[in-house]
Amino acid sequence: AQSVTQLDSHVSVSEGTPVLLRCNYSSSYSPSLFWYVQHPNKGLQLLLKYTSAATLVKGINGFEAEFKKSETSFHLTKPSAHMSDAAEYFCVVRGVHLIFGKGTKLSVKP
Amino acid sequence: NAGVTQTPKFQVLKTGQSMTLQCAQDMNHNSMYWYRQDPGMGLRLIYYSASEGTTDKGEVPNGYNVSRLNKREFSLRLESAAPSQTSVYFCACYSTGSYEQYFGPGTRLTVT
Repeated sequence: AQSVTQLDSHVSVSEGTPVLLRCNYSSSYSPSLFWYVQHPNKGLQLLLKYTSAATLVKGINGFEAEFKKSETSFHLTKPSAHMSDAAEYFCVVRGVHLIFGKGTKLSVKP
Repeated sequence: NAGVTQTPKFQVLKTGQSMTLQCAQDMNHNSMYWYRQDPGMGLRLIYYSASEGTTDKGEVPNGYNVSRLNKREFSLRLESAAPSQTSVYFCACYSTGSYEQYFGPGTRLTVT
């Protein structure tokens, strides 16, 4: 069965510093993995996806994620945080349906 | 294109009342989904519909019913609301080509 674990429920960074949101996955076969973002009081929007092509995946707004099979990880990174990045981020694996992690709330301090 | 629309945006119900949450998509996708979002729980699948005329239970279907009225519309009904159903409800459609789910803006439901 597929599952994802987001290792931090809350991450706080200062504007201009790097962002790292951690996600580990479990899958019995080569997974499809996604990161979604949810800004306050909004729906979810796809940031990026990995579907067994390049292991380094670039998404919108300067985010990227690297698929590491040996570590069963799919961490989300951004070199320099912006105030507008403050949101909740969900790591997702595709099983029969999409399976969502519990979310990581990113706070960005000025 | 509006994408995925949901009505209403907010609703307050008393315990035992019923209501239907409406969802429509103009993206021409076959699959549609209803989720609930609770703090610290991520999104949990209530029901889904792989195509017009079919519906199936997800992870947390108890207390809910759904109707796939046509390809565009997928409604969620609470027959007798309970405080445990206080949540934010999201509808989504799914593209089998891009593997992407497209979400509506959500309905914030409070049951007192």
